[in-house]
Amino acid sequence: GAGVSQTPSNKVTEKGKYVELRCDPISGHTALYWYRQSLGQGPEFLIYFQGTGAADDSGLPNDRFFAVRPEGSVSTLKIQRTERGDSAVYLCASGRGGNYGYTFGSGTRLTVV
Amino acid sequence: GENVEQHPSTLSVQEGDSAVIKCTYSDSASNYFPWYKQELGKGPQLIIDIRSNVGEKKDQRIAVTLNKTAKHFSLHITETQPEDSAVYFCASDPAGGGADGLTFGKGTHLIIQP
Repeated sequence: GAGVSQTPSNKVTEKGKYVELRCDPISGHTALYWYRQSLGQGPEFLIYFQGTGAADDSGLPNDRFFAVRPEGSVSTLKIQRTERGDSAVYLCASGRGGNYGYTFGSGTRLTVV
Repeated sequence: GENVEQHPSTLSVQEGDSAVIKCTYSDSASNYFPWYKQELGKGPQLIIDIRSNVGEKKDQRIAVTLNKTAKHFSLHITETQPEDSAVYFCASDPAGGGADGLTFGKGTHLIIQP
């Protein structure tokens, strides 16, 4: 596609439930990033993939958060035992890596009630 | 880790005037500084970036300046238009070139008054 696609655009879940957020990067982009953006804040880095492997997962807040990119294209961010504090917009971005900037999707707004 | 401070949090200017947003960073290893524009309900969009071997970069009405010694960089928008209204974020990347995670400022809400 022409841009980074994230689904769903909105997700409401109950506290304690499991959720999966999907990201379809721009075709051919080897680098993929997940960020979290709380209201009134800048995006906060979570994890970076180069190809299939997580090159840097230092931003994941705890072991309830996990992300995969099994074939080096689509990525899924998984959150277990969701908490109200997980409510935020989860942004995905893709790029060519190296010395190039990257393109963000429109995000998934997650609300934990 | 890197810390990026951004000022002001809100900036209101008359249409046609200039707007300046300033950021400071803490990690002297940072060498890539992008600026993003975010409109309501959308993801951030890269508008301009600068690398540490360059002091200034311009693209039409937008310019960015970098002072590595003082560890600060600024976004300048001239001849502002209503469509410039948005939230602007500065960011830095110690790894250079966006290859790893960016550290973002908290954003500036730019309001263009007609």
